[in-house]
Amino acid sequence: QKEVEQNSGPLSVPEGAIASLNCTYSDRGSQSFFWYRQYSGKSPELIMFIYSNGDKEDGRFTAQLNKASQYVSLLIRDSQPSDSATYLCAVRSSARQLTFGSGTQLTVLP
Amino acid sequence: NAGVTQTPKFQVLKTGQSMTLQCAQDMNHNSMYWYRQDPGMGLRLIYYSASEGTTDKGEVPNGYNVSRLNKREFSLRLESAAPSQTSVYFCASTGGGLNEQFFGPGTRLTVL
Repeated sequence: QKEVEQNSGPLSVPEGAIASLNCTYSDRGSQSFFWYRQYSGKSPELIMFIYSNGDKEDGRFTAQLNKASQYVSLLIRDSQPSDSATYLCAVRSSARQLTFGSGTQLTVLP
Repeated sequence: NAGVTQTPKFQVLKTGQSMTLQCAQDMNHNSMYWYRQDPGMGLRLIYYSASEGTTDKGEVPNGYNVSRLNKREFSLRLESAAPSQTSVYFCASTGGGLNEQFFGPGTRLTVL
């Protein structure tokens, strides 16, 4: 079983809709959770992090964490074509390491 | 402030050849990492260095060696390249308490 699981997609949403990306993890001791965005041919860039249960909002992005259920999600409101990318979920496991999911490919249709 | 830099950007090797991928960061970060990314596999950790003078194996270390030359530089060496090492290699660094990692632009390696 992979430590961090994501639906690979592809996920397609129309412009202006809400995109919902989900991630589950297996290590109950995980403390910090990150969402990275990766455009095709580029390196990952951090868009959100969360470490407390509940919601964290930053502009059009909301990260949600539920440690009891071991899942973290990312909502993108008012999706734009420029949001089309692969979204990587990452979990801090131990020894300052991050474990990454395989990513969800999102396409926002104009 | 260049962040994390990697050289080269592209490389083609023949099976059995060796090469070193270079990584440097100017953010005074203690920890540095080497990942490989293959289609559908996400990022897999090859080696990491928690601080200057230390290195540890990650998930997929076989066929690789690393050197933490100083606080700024962390190199990855392929002693005898194999086609299975065809991949995109990313270097990353972190210095913060929440372990946000900053990534370099990547090296696209093809082994024929």
